[in-house]
Amino acid sequence: EVQLVQSGAEVKKPGESLKISCKGSGYSFSNYWIVWVRQMPGRGLEWMGVIYLADSDTIYSPSFQGQVTISADKSISTAYLQWSSLKASDTAMYYCARGSSGYRWFDPWGQGTLVTVSS
Amino acid sequence: QSALTQPASVSGSPGQSITISCTGSSSSDADTYKYVSWYQHHPGKAPKLMIYDVTIRPSGVPNRFSGSKSGSTASLTISGLQAEDEADYYCISCSSSISTSSPVLFGGGTKLTVL
Repeated sequence: EVQLVQSGAEVKKPGESLKISCKGSGYSFSNYWIVWVRQMPGRGLEWMGVIYLADSDTIYSPSFQGQVTISADKSISTAYLQWSSLKASDTAMYYCARGSSGYRWFDPWGQGTLVTVSS
Repeated sequence: QSALTQPASVSGSPGQSITISCTGSSSSDADTYKYVSWYQHHPGKAPKLMIYDVTIRPSGVPNRFSGSKSGSTASLTISGLQAEDEADYYCISCSSSISTSSPVLFGGGTKLTVL
């Protein structure tokens, strides 16, 4: 079964750093793109960026460029989303999903990682 | 690039049909962002792919769900509405051009209420 399993919920303070993960299984991880998506409380889904696992080629949404870092370790079939200095406005659910035929569509999706940033 | 525009909400009674639209900002978007997919999102769950490449339904998705596109507007139609269809629906479009700075566009989402 193809699946993406994300790391667990996090509670952090403003200014702290964080790295969350998305581990793929059931398929050849390196041959696909992974997308990261944010959903702030009560809001819609927002595209953050995509990464190609074979060579870590990464494209960021203009809205998130410079705000987060997307990376991957293909040896352990895992993609990452990280922040160097969290803000309260980073409080959200974050999803990863596998891109197919490049990133023409996304399936499956991870279960989501809830990040709460509060002092 | 601008996001895709979806109605904030739609509603229908069980057994009825509804259509959710997804519109690009200009006619040029229709040629560049020609790969459209649709996702169902129940709160607290992972989004689920319902339609890809405008009209193709993945295995396991009921044939009550269908997709289409005309010009810069893509549409998701759900016929024979059922209670479990109540969810948020998102369109996502991917660019066929590798030169664009934003190859993926998301719609703002539509809340479907089954009355």
